[in-house]
Amino acid sequence: DTAVSQTPKYLVTQMGNDKSIKCEQNLGHDTMYWYKQDSKKFLKIMFSYNNKELIINETVPNRFSPKSPDKAHLNLHINSLELGDSAVYFCASRLSGDRVNEQYFGPGTRLTVT
Amino acid sequence: GDSVTQMEGPVTLSEEAFLTINCTYTATGYPSLFWYVQYPGEGLQLLLKATKADDKGSNKGFEATYRKETTSFHLEKGSVQVSDSAVYFCALSAQGSGYALNFGKGTSLLVTP
Repeated sequence: DTAVSQTPKYLVTQMGNDKSIKCEQNLGHDTMYWYKQDSKKFLKIMFSYNNKELIINETVPNRFSPKSPDKAHLNLHINSLELGDSAVYFCASRLSGDRVNEQYFGPGTRLTVT
Repeated sequence: GDSVTQMEGPVTLSEEAFLTINCTYTATGYPSLFWYVQYPGEGLQLLLKATKADDKGSNKGFEATYRKETTSFHLEKGSVQVSDSAVYFCALSAQGSGYALNFGKGTSLLVTP
């Protein structure tokens, strides 16, 4: 069984479009994250939700809007896509109260904006 | 704020060579430390972890020790294989940042036969 899944795996779209990426975890975790990996492989936190509440909102353009309908899901909606949004987006989850703070990652969504 | 610095790559080694990838961190409080590995075209896999000073994380022949006095978490392996070719990320998480992972820039390792 897949622990953290993301759809789609690949997304190719044109500038100006609006798109969504979905993430689901079946680990019973209560905290979820979105990370962005740029073309130089640098990974940076974007958002985090705990029990459906936004707890981290890094300096990200407001074209990006996360939504967490329940503890098992965290979606990322992107409006008016730009070339610079091309990246790999990773979802991750953890259980708050876990002493080790280990996060489990999804396979990533490679977004290409043309 | 918290930060992680790891040695720049790419690192090229011959099979069976000794590997060290340096990682140092800056953090307030007591972070947990991690090494993640990303194989070509794949996602992130946790390689090893340590939660407190002097803890040693180990997995698949890799090991790293949490050194609070030098704020370091260097990754080592005694004998690398071609299959170890990947990008390695050092990372920390701490309560002050909602336990989000703060990654180093990654070190690309290429092992040649």
